[in-house]
Amino acid sequence: KAGVTQTPRYLIKTRGQQVTLSCSPISGHRSVSWYQQTPGQGLQFLFEYFSETQRNKGNFPGRFSGRQFSNSRSEMNVSTLELGDSALYLCASSRETGGYGYTFGSGTRLTVV
Amino acid sequence: DAKTTQPNSMESNEEEPVHLPCNHSTISGTDYIHWYRQLPSQGPEYVIHGLTSNVNNRMASLAIAEDRKSSTLILHRATLRDAAVYYCILRDRTGGNAGNMLTFGGGTRLMVKP
Repeated sequence: KAGVTQTPRYLIKTRGQQVTLSCSPISGHRSVSWYQQTPGQGLQFLFEYFSETQRNKGNFPGRFSGRQFSNSRSEMNVSTLELGDSALYLCASSRETGGYGYTFGSGTRLTVV
Repeated sequence: DAKTTQPNSMESNEEEPVHLPCNHSTISGTDYIHWYRQLPSQGPEYVIHGLTSNVNNRMASLAIAEDRKSSTLILHRATLRDAAVYYCILRDRTGGNAGNMLTFGGGTRLMVKP
């Protein structure tokens, strides 16, 4: 079966711009979570969506937002980009919220210049 | 959240067993022990999880101490493809907000020598 698909794989943006990243979960998975990975902070939880509702949010500023559609696909948006937002953004899906195993995508590498 | 402690790095020879330790002295009775690994240029990959008893699957074995304050991920025969960062994570089995996220520590970087 198809895995978790994240698009685009690579992105270069300028400071101050905004960006939207997309995640298509495994078919049948209703929970989608987003993580940010940087060399300094490691993997950090951003937020989780389940049935189009945000169920949990990590400690990130309001510039980071997301949404989930009725087909479980999810997008995350970062407004007013800062250099420190350069990171690998990972999406993970699970059959249900709090489910045992998450399947991660390969991520979107965002570079802010 | 209950925290885990892992060595920063470990080395192994190819085709030898590898024992990756994890300490979680503040584990609660409702916490599952999960292991994920991240290969270079990929997202994390689920490896195994357990609650109290030792667990086996096609990828690895998980040995859990009787007091649950530590656990060990066992790769029975390391291959070059097992070179990755291995993360030990506690997840609340009761779910709720705390159970819906994975709290990653620094993990253990496993290097496998041919």
